[in-house]
Amino acid sequence: EVQLVESGGGLVQPGRSLRLSCTASGFTFGDYTMSWFRQAPGKGLEWVGFIRSKAYGGTTEYAASVKGRFTISRDDSKSVAYLQMNSLKTEDTAVYYCTRLNIYNSGWYVDYWGQGTLVTVSS
Amino acid sequence: QSVLTQPPSVSGAPGQRVTISCTGSSSNIGAGYDVHWYQQLPGTAPKLLIYGNSIRPSGVPDRFSGSKSGTSASLAISGLQAEDEADYYCQSYDSSLSVVFGGGTKLTVL
Repeated sequence: EVQLVESGGGLVQPGRSLRLSCTASGFTFGDYTMSWFRQAPGKGLEWVGFIRSKAYGGTTEYAASVKGRFTISRDDSKSVAYLQMNSLKTEDTAVYYCTRLNIYNSGWYVDYWGQGTLVTVSS
Repeated sequence: QSVLTQPPSVSGAPGQRVTISCTGSSSNIGAGYDVHWYQQLPGTAPKLLIYGNSIRPSGVPDRFSGSKSGTSASLAISGLQAEDEADYYCQSYDSSLSVVFGGGTKLTVL
């Protein structure tokens, strides 16, 4: 059974940093592109970024709203994906979801979601 | 402002059929990228409902169906049930190398 478990969320002050972790199980982690999404309170889903599998170069892509502040990395030996968030803003307050991406006809979709972890940016 | 456009809400009585539209542009849906749909029940993480425009993952009832034409796509739910009350999101991929979503549609079962 595929499982994605996020950790590391919490309350953080504006301008500070936070790192989220996503521990995966139930599949060969290194074979998949992993992605982070977020959902602000009462709002819709927003893509944050993804990291391709090593087979696709292990490269990253980010949404414009977080580019330059957030960094996604992975440790295939531990089956863990990370989201390093720097220079946090109040508008980054959201539930952050770790997801597994699959590809169909050259486009990505999410086939598994974690349960989410809440990040609150407030002074 | 979401890249894909969905109606904020739809409603229907039990047993009825409802559709949710998703409109994109020439850089995403119109560029040939497929549309995928997710269901988010209150207080839970989203769940994949349809991928590749019309393919249901194992376990998704055949009451749910999807289609795509040009720069738009639709999700249809037939035989509406109370348990279908949820938020529904469409998603595609954009030529700018980004994953794009609709703003979500709240389905109310009357």
